[in-house]
Amino acid sequence: EAGVAQSPRYKIIEKRQSVAFWCNPISGHATLYWYQQILGQGPKLLIQFQNNGVVDDSQLPKDRFSAERLKGVDSTLKIQPAKLEDSAVYLCASSLAPRQGNYGYTFGSGTRLTVV
Amino acid sequence: AQTVTQSQPEMSVQEAETVTLSCTYDTSESDYYLFWYKQPPSRQMILVIRQEAYKQQNATENRFSVNFQKAAKSFSLKISDSQLGDAAMYFCAYRGFSGSARQLTFGSGTQLTVLP
Repeated sequence: EAGVAQSPRYKIIEKRQSVAFWCNPISGHATLYWYQQILGQGPKLLIQFQNNGVVDDSQLPKDRFSAERLKGVDSTLKIQPAKLEDSAVYLCASSLAPRQGNYGYTFGSGTRLTVV
Repeated sequence: AQTVTQSQPEMSVQEAETVTLSCTYDTSESDYYLFWYKQPPSRQMILVIRQEAYKQQNATENRFSVNFQKAAKSFSLKISDSQLGDAAMYFCAYRGFSGSARQLTFGSGTQLTVLP
């Protein structure tokens, strides 16, 4: 099966600019997640979608971050305006529902964002 | 809230030897899943092994095995016959079934170096 696709792989922007990341989950995975991974740390959940609805965005900095999941498949994560502390790897993952399948997540290769 | 703690930021092992990575977690749930993920420099999180809390038998996957101590809330990963390709960042992760616990929560990671 195809994996979770993410693009771009790398992005360098200046602070106060905007940036967008794209994710295409595994076919059939209803749940999609965006994680932020700062260098040397474990991934931290930003937002979780179930189909095209938001389940949890409690850790999403809503003054600058936004995300949407079009038609319950692809998703985009946007940062506007970017700050230096947003430099991180942004990981997208998808999974089956609880008690369905192996309950693990499948991750994409991430987008490394550098804000200068 | 669930927390996952990895107390070893770095570990090293000689090729062909055995190494154990430690992980502890905190939860009030009785049913949950635990995972070990490997993250090589390519950034993609790769599932190494998973354990269902209701199973007393420790999970094994080829050279990888876990020591799951539910009462002690401990979940260590043993890598036998270490290979150069095992060098990576290893993350312990927890996923429960209720509320925010349904999201995958990661520890801070252990950087494993394999010495030739």
